[in-house]
Amino acid sequence: QKEVEQDPGPLSVPEGAIVSLNCTYSNSAFQYFMWYRQYSRKGPELLMYTYSSGNKEDGRFTAQVDKSSKYISLFIRDSQPSDSATYLCAFTGFQKLVFGTGTRLLVSP
Amino acid sequence: DAGVTQSPTHLIKTRGQQVTLRCSPISGHKSVSWYQQVLGQGPQFIFQYYEKEERGRGNFPDRFSARQFPNYSSELNVNALLLGDSALYLCASSFGGTQETQYFGPGTRLLVL
Repeated sequence: QKEVEQDPGPLSVPEGAIVSLNCTYSNSAFQYFMWYRQYSRKGPELLMYTYSSGNKEDGRFTAQVDKSSKYISLFIRDSQPSDSATYLCAFTGFQKLVFGTGTRLLVSP
Repeated sequence: DAGVTQSPTHLIKTRGQQVTLRCSPISGHKSVSWYQQVLGQGPQFIFQYYEKEERGRGNFPDRFSARQFPNYSSELNVNALLLGDSALYLCASSFGGTQETQYFGPGTRLLVL
């Protein structure tokens, strides 16, 4: 079983849609949960991080963590074409980050 | 403030050669980590350095080595290059030795022919 599972997509939505991106994980030692956004040919950009179960909001983005189910989500409200990118979930409990494979999101005007 | 910077941006090498990649962290950050990202995959952890000492190492062969300098910049060296080493090499910096708030540079794209 992989430590992190993430659907690679691509996920195509129209502008203004609500987007849901998800990851599951198997390592109970993970303590921090992060979402990164990566545009083509660029480095990952930290969007949000949290360490507790529940929801955390930042503008149009909401990160949700369910530790009991080992499941995290990122919701994007009112999606924009500029949100088109690859979204990577990441986890850490030790010295290293463990990333998912990334979900490619395409928001069409 | 400048973000994480990496050089060079692109590099083409042939099998068997050696390569050195460079990274300058955000000012004030003391930790640098290196990641390899193969096309279509998430980044894979290679090394972390904090205060010039190795803090962690991923599942990579001994052909990969790194070091951190007194000014907290870092180099990643890869010897005896293989075709499979072709990837985007990312450097990330953080203030402390933990990993939850790391900031990535733009990466160095290495192509091995």
